[in-house]
Amino acid sequence: AQSVAQPEDQVNVAEGNPLTVKCTYSVSGNPYLFWYVQYPNRGLQFLLKYITGDNLVKGSYGFEAEFNKSQTSFHLKKPSALVSDSALYFCAERQTTGRRALTFGSGTRLQVQP
Amino acid sequence: EPEVTQTPSHQVTQMGQEVILRCVPISNHLYFYWYRQILGQKVEFLVSFYNNEISEKSEIFDDQFSVERPDGSNFTLKIRSTKLEDSAMYFCASTRDKNTEAFFGQGTRLTVV
Repeated sequence: AQSVAQPEDQVNVAEGNPLTVKCTYSVSGNPYLFWYVQYPNRGLQFLLKYITGDNLVKGSYGFEAEFNKSQTSFHLKKPSALVSDSALYFCAERQTTGRRALTFGSGTRLQVQP
Repeated sequence: EPEVTQTPSHQVTQMGQEVILRCVPISNHLYFYWYRQILGQKVEFLVSFYNNEISEKSEIFDDQFSVERPDGSNFTLKIRSTKLEDSAMYFCASTRDKNTEAFFGQGTRLTVV
Protein backbone atom coordinates (compact mmCIF):
# COMPACT_ATOMS: atom_id res chain seq x y z
CA ALA A 1 0.00 0.00 0.00
CA GLN A 2 1.07 3.54 -0.61
CA SER A 3 2.10 5.68 2.29
CA VAL A 4 3.92 8.91 2.83
CA ALA A 5 5.61 9.76 6.09
CA GLN A 6 6.46 13.19 7.35
CA PRO A 7 8.22 12.42 10.61
CA GLU A 8 8.18 15.95 11.99
CA ASP A 9 4.96 17.65 13.05
CA GLN A 10 6.78 20.98 13.26
CA VAL A 11 10.08 22.41 12.11
CA ASN A 12 11.45 25.63 13.57
CA VAL A 13 14.15 27.57 11.82
CA ALA A 14 15.56 31.07 12.07
CA GLU A 15 15.15 33.41 9.16
CA GLY A 16 18.11 33.24 6.81
CA ASN A 17 19.03 29.71 7.85
CA PRO A 18 18.61 26.71 5.57
CA LEU A 19 15.51 24.61 6.09
CA THR A 20 14.68 20.96 5.48
CA VAL A 21 11.27 19.35 5.70
CA LYS A 22 11.49 15.58 5.57
CA CYS A 23 9.41 13.13 3.60
CA THR A 24 9.75 9.42 2.96
CA TYR A 25 7.58 7.30 0.73
CA SER A 26 6.79 3.65 0.35
CA VAL A 27 5.47 2.80 -3.05
CA SER A 28 7.07 0.28 -5.33
CA GLY A 29 8.66 1.31 -8.57
CA ASN A 30 9.21 4.93 -9.42
CA PRO A 31 6.57 7.11 -7.85
CA TYR A 32 5.53 10.59 -8.75
CA LEU A 33 6.28 12.83 -5.76
CA PHE A 34 4.96 16.27 -4.93
CA TRP A 35 5.23 19.03 -2.38
CA TYR A 36 2.33 21.33 -1.59
CA VAL A 37 2.10 24.26 0.80
CA GLN A 38 -0.99 25.40 2.68
CA TYR A 39 -1.27 28.88 4.12
CA PRO A 40 -3.96 29.61 6.75
CA ASN A 41 -7.48 29.47 5.30
CA ARG A 42 -6.12 28.74 1.84
CA GLY A 43 -6.03 25.75 -0.45
CA LEU A 44 -3.04 23.64 -1.30
CA GLN A 45 -0.52 25.33 -3.54
CA PHE A 46 1.75 23.25 -5.73
CA LEU A 47 5.46 23.78 -5.05
CA LEU A 48 7.30 21.15 -7.06
CA LYS A 49 7.23 17.61 -8.37
CA TYR A 50 9.47 14.73 -9.26
CA ILE A 51 8.39 12.63 -12.21
CA THR A 52 11.61 11.40 -13.74
CA GLY A 53 15.07 12.65 -14.66
CA ASP A 54 17.29 14.80 -12.49
CA ASN A 55 17.00 13.87 -8.83
CA LEU A 56 17.20 17.51 -7.74
CA VAL A 57 14.00 19.32 -8.52
CA LYS A 58 13.60 23.08 -8.29
CA GLY A 59 10.24 24.65 -7.62
CA SER A 60 8.46 27.81 -6.64
CA TYR A 61 9.67 30.41 -4.12
CA GLY A 62 13.24 29.07 -4.08
CA PHE A 63 12.31 25.62 -2.81
CA GLU A 64 13.93 22.45 -4.06
CA ALA A 65 13.71 18.77 -3.26
CA GLU A 66 15.96 15.81 -3.81
CA PHE A 67 14.65 12.43 -4.83
CA ASN A 68 16.70 9.71 -3.19
CA LYS A 69 15.63 6.28 -4.33
CA SER A 70 17.93 4.31 -2.02
CA GLN A 71 16.56 6.12 1.03
CA THR A 72 13.03 6.45 -0.43
CA SER A 73 13.09 10.10 0.53
CA PHE A 74 12.02 13.37 -1.04
CA HIS A 75 13.05 16.06 1.43
CA LEU A 76 12.08 19.67 0.78
CA LYS A 77 14.84 22.23 1.15
CA LYS A 78 15.51 25.92 0.89
CA PRO A 79 18.92 27.54 1.33
CA SER A 80 17.65 30.60 3.20
CA ALA A 81 14.30 30.63 5.00
CA LEU A 82 11.95 33.61 5.05
CA VAL A 83 9.36 34.42 7.70
CA SER A 84 6.77 34.29 4.91
CA ASP A 85 7.65 30.61 4.35
CA SER A 86 5.86 29.78 7.60
CA ALA A 87 3.03 27.45 6.60
CA LEU A 88 1.92 23.84 6.52
CA TYR A 89 3.79 21.66 4.05
CA PHE A 90 2.48 18.42 2.60
CA CYS A 91 4.39 15.74 0.76
CA ALA A 92 2.33 13.58 -1.59
CA GLU A 93 2.86 10.65 -3.88
CA ARG A 94 1.07 9.06 -6.75
CA GLN A 95 1.44 5.78 -8.54
CA THR A 96 2.83 5.90 -12.04
CA THR A 97 0.15 3.53 -13.31
CA GLY A 98 -3.40 2.91 -12.27
CA ARG A 99 -4.62 5.05 -9.43
CA ARG A 100 -4.12 8.76 -10.07
CA ALA A 101 -5.15 10.01 -6.67
CA LEU A 102 -2.59 11.62 -4.44
CA THR A 103 -1.67 10.10 -1.11
CA PHE A 104 -0.67 12.83 1.31
CA GLY A 105 1.59 12.83 4.31
CA SER A 106 0.33 14.18 7.61
CA GLY A 107 1.90 17.58 7.04
CA THR A 108 4.71 19.50 8.70
CA ARG A 109 4.24 22.94 10.11
CA LEU A 110 7.20 25.17 9.31
CA GLN A 111 7.77 28.08 11.65
CA VAL A 112 10.40 30.59 10.57
CA GLN A 113 11.40 32.95 13.34
CA PRO A 114 12.62 36.46 12.58
CA GLU B 1 -3.14 32.70 -13.72
CA PRO B 2 -6.00 30.19 -14.01
CA GLU B 3 -7.24 28.75 -10.76
CA VAL B 4 -9.74 26.31 -9.33
CA THR B 5 -12.58 28.11 -7.57
CA GLN B 6 -14.89 26.67 -4.95
CA THR B 7 -18.15 27.92 -3.49
CA PRO B 8 -19.20 28.48 -0.81
CA SER B 9 -16.13 29.07 1.30
CA HIS B 10 -18.02 28.01 4.41
CA GLN B 11 -21.24 26.03 4.75
CA VAL B 12 -23.06 25.23 7.95
CA THR B 13 -25.77 22.60 7.75
CA GLN B 14 -27.90 20.55 10.08
CA MET B 15 -27.30 16.86 10.42
CA GLY B 16 -29.39 14.91 7.93
CA GLN B 17 -29.57 17.73 5.40
CA GLU B 18 -28.24 17.54 1.88
CA VAL B 19 -25.39 19.78 0.81
CA ILE B 20 -23.87 20.52 -2.56
CA LEU B 21 -20.35 21.81 -2.80
CA ARG B 22 -19.41 23.52 -6.02
CA CYS B 23 -16.18 23.77 -7.94
CA VAL B 24 -15.10 25.31 -11.20
CA PRO B 25 -11.95 23.50 -12.37
CA ILE B 26 -9.37 25.06 -14.64
CA SER B 27 -10.95 25.23 -18.08
CA ASN B 28 -8.62 23.02 -20.11
CA HIS B 29 -8.24 20.38 -17.42
CA LEU B 30 -9.68 16.94 -17.94
CA TYR B 31 -9.39 15.17 -14.58
CA PHE B 32 -11.26 16.34 -11.50
CA TYR B 33 -10.96 15.34 -7.88
CA TRP B 34 -12.45 15.85 -4.46
CA TYR B 35 -10.37 15.55 -1.32
CA ARG B 36 -11.23 16.30 2.26
CA GLN B 37 -9.27 17.31 5.33
CA ILE B 38 -10.81 16.76 8.73
CA LEU B 39 -9.48 19.33 11.18
CA GLY B 40 -6.01 18.38 12.33
CA GLN B 41 -5.78 15.37 10.05
CA LYS B 42 -4.23 14.63 6.69
CA VAL B 43 -5.75 15.36 3.31
CA GLU B 44 -7.70 12.31 2.09
CA PHE B 45 -8.79 11.36 -1.40
CA LEU B 46 -12.49 10.96 -2.03
CA VAL B 47 -13.13 10.59 -5.74
CA SER B 48 -11.78 11.28 -9.20
CA PHE B 49 -13.79 12.02 -12.32
CA TYR B 50 -12.86 11.80 -15.96
CA ASN B 51 -14.84 11.75 -19.17
CA ASN B 52 -18.11 12.28 -17.30
CA GLU B 53 -17.76 9.34 -14.99
CA ILE B 54 -16.10 8.35 -11.77
CA SER B 55 -12.70 6.85 -12.49
CA GLU B 56 -11.82 5.91 -8.93
CA LYS B 57 -13.08 6.42 -5.42
CA SER B 58 -11.93 5.76 -1.90
CA GLU B 59 -13.68 3.80 0.82
CA ILE B 60 -14.80 7.13 2.28
CA PHE B 61 -16.90 7.82 -0.81
CA ASP B 62 -19.95 5.78 0.11
CA ASP B 63 -23.53 5.94 -1.13
CA GLN B 64 -24.10 9.23 0.68
CA PHE B 65 -21.75 10.95 -1.74
CA SER B 66 -22.18 11.70 -5.42
CA VAL B 67 -20.43 13.85 -7.99
CA GLU B 68 -21.63 15.51 -11.12
CA ARG B 69 -20.42 17.74 -13.91
CA PRO B 70 -23.76 19.17 -14.93
CA ASP B 71 -22.81 21.79 -17.45
CA GLY B 72 -19.24 21.34 -18.64
CA SER B 73 -17.77 23.86 -16.23
CA ASN B 74 -19.04 23.11 -12.73
CA PHE B 75 -18.03 20.01 -10.80
CA THR B 76 -20.15 19.30 -7.76
CA LEU B 77 -19.97 17.08 -4.71
CA LYS B 78 -23.29 16.19 -3.08
CA ILE B 79 -23.63 14.72 0.37
CA ARG B 80 -27.11 13.30 0.61
CA SER B 81 -27.66 13.16 4.35
CA THR B 82 -24.90 14.82 6.28
CA LYS B 83 -23.45 13.39 9.45
CA LEU B 84 -21.47 15.14 12.14
CA GLU B 85 -18.33 13.33 10.98
CA ASP B 86 -18.67 14.88 7.53
CA SER B 87 -17.48 18.16 9.01
CA ALA B 88 -14.23 18.90 7.21
CA MET B 89 -12.55 21.10 4.64
CA TYR B 90 -13.39 19.84 1.18
CA PHE B 91 -10.95 20.54 -1.62
CA CYS B 92 -11.59 20.31 -5.31
CA ALA B 93 -8.65 19.75 -7.65
CA SER B 94 -8.05 19.35 -11.34
CA THR B 95 -5.26 18.19 -13.61
CA ARG B 96 -4.66 18.79 -17.28
CA ASP B 97 -3.78 15.17 -17.90
CA LYS B 98 -3.01 12.08 -15.94
CA ASN B 99 0.66 12.90 -15.35
CA THR B 100 0.60 16.56 -14.37
CA GLU B 101 0.29 18.15 -10.98
CA ALA B 102 -3.06 18.84 -9.40
CA PHE B 103 -4.25 22.38 -8.82
CA PHE B 104 -6.42 22.81 -5.75
CA GLY B 105 -9.18 25.21 -4.91
CA GLN B 106 -9.21 27.18 -1.69
CA GLY B 107 -11.61 24.71 -0.11
CA THR B 108 -15.11 24.70 1.38
CA ARG B 109 -15.32 24.35 5.11
CA LEU B 110 -18.36 22.21 5.89
CA THR B 111 -19.69 22.29 9.42
CA VAL B 112 -22.44 19.85 10.31
CA VAL B 113 -24.31 20.69 13.49
